[in-house]
Amino acid sequence: DIVMTQSPDSLAVSLGERATINCKSSQSVLFSSNNKNSLAWYQQRPGQPPKLLIYWASTRESGVPDRFSGSGSGTDFTLTISSLQAEDVAVYYCQQYYSPPPRTFGQGTKLEIK
Amino acid sequence: QVQLVESGGGLVKPGGSLRLSCAASGFTFSDYYMSWIRQAPGKGLECVSYISSSGSTIYYADSVKGRFTIARDNAKNSLYLQMNSLRAEDTAVYYCARDSRRYTGGNAFDYWGQGTLVTVSS
Repeated sequence: DIVMTQSPDSLAVSLGERATINCKSSQSVLFSSNNKNSLAWYQQRPGQPPKLLIYWASTRESGVPDRFSGSGSGTDFTLTISSLQAEDVAVYYCQQYYSPPPRTFGQGTKLEIK
Repeated sequence: QVQLVESGGGLVKPGGSLRLSCAASGFTFSDYYMSWIRQAPGKGLECVSYISSSGSTIYYADSVKGRFTIARDNAKNSLYLQMNSLRAEDTAVYYCARDSRRYTGGNAFDYWGQGTLVTVSS
């Protein structure tokens, strides 16, 4: 199975500042047939199910604010929130869908307000 | 709008059984792979099982293989998870989730239900 490792496990950022979360896969998730990375990011607010934010590593899901962006390729990926808002407090998960089954998730990164 | 509504969770003793259901609406259910994903209290996410749009392809995590059975009824727009021989470590919120692309598996999950809590305890 592909192991996904996120860093840090938690971080605190001031409102309006940038937040950066990293995700590393144990093997490349670059899909050669379409040259896209099979990597998604989810946001899970307290008491809610996960919500898809980003897929193919950098494509925002419809309705997701443009302060959220994804980058990276191969084994190293980043989720960036350009200007943190109060409603962004959540746990963020990366997930690979290159080598299903199984589709595996990172352990999660808890984002709080400083 | 797309809706996924799980039901059937509850408290069960070790060794017992439960059947979870997921009612889907707002999309052509028979076009999409569907999955069950669980989250133990305070923990991360684990893909437990998925089923192809026709039901012909099924996957189970090693942790549940031989104990859980996934099924779907496309005429009723419903997904099921029969859970037998339950263990304390199966305690979790169980979500049903939809693959983001029609007719193919191995995608991100674009819609999730609110989840149903399964507690296995004596």
